[in-house]
Amino acid sequence: AQSVTQLGSHVSVSEGALVLLRCNYSSSVPPYLFWYVQYPNQGLQLLLKYTSAATLVKGINGFEAEFKKSETSFHLTKPSAHMSDAAEYFCAVSEGNTPLVFGKGTRLSVIA
Amino acid sequence: EAGVAQSPRYKIIEKRQSVAFWCNPISGHATLYWYQQILGQGPKLLIQFQNNGVVDDSQLPKDRFSAERLKGVDSTLKIQPAKLEDSAVYLCASSLQGSYNSPLHFGNGTRLTVT
Repeated sequence: AQSVTQLGSHVSVSEGALVLLRCNYSSSVPPYLFWYVQYPNQGLQLLLKYTSAATLVKGINGFEAEFKKSETSFHLTKPSAHMSDAAEYFCAVSEGNTPLVFGKGTRLSVIA
Repeated sequence: EAGVAQSPRYKIIEKRQSVAFWCNPISGHATLYWYQQILGQGPKLLIQFQNNGVVDDSQLPKDRFSAERLKGVDSTLKIQPAKLEDSAVYLCASSLQGSYNSPLHFGNGTRLTVT
């Protein structure tokens, strides 16, 4: 069965600094991978998804993620953090014929 | 387009009471999901509907949880009787297609507190 591990339950960065949120997955077949963002008291919104096309995936709000099969990773990055990026971020994986499995989430704080 | 609508936003009940949550998906979305999100964890799938049929309810505690989507549009999730450990946010999501690589569109959730 597929699984997701998000390293770091809380990440804090300064405004303008690089954002790096780590996600490692386990899957017996080529996976579908997703990043979702959740703002306080709201549902989850899709940031980006990988579905076996380009390994570097660009999403909304300047975020991108790179699929690295050899490292079973799908880390999320953004070159310059903005205050509005403060939220909870979830990595999720599907094996194609199975429902999404979400990680436990990483809370991103942005310091002015 | 209108998003996924959920009600109520908040609910506080005592243990052993019953509660129901309502969800109206995005128009035209055939697939509807109910997720449970316990504080500090990621969402966990409870049940998936394709139109008015159940696709996956393997993680639904069927002794106390039930869900229906009678006309293939809106859905209701019920808990009876509630336990303290049911305190969580209940998220409804919908997708246009039933394949698992289709993006999910989430509602804002119902925050349930069981005392």
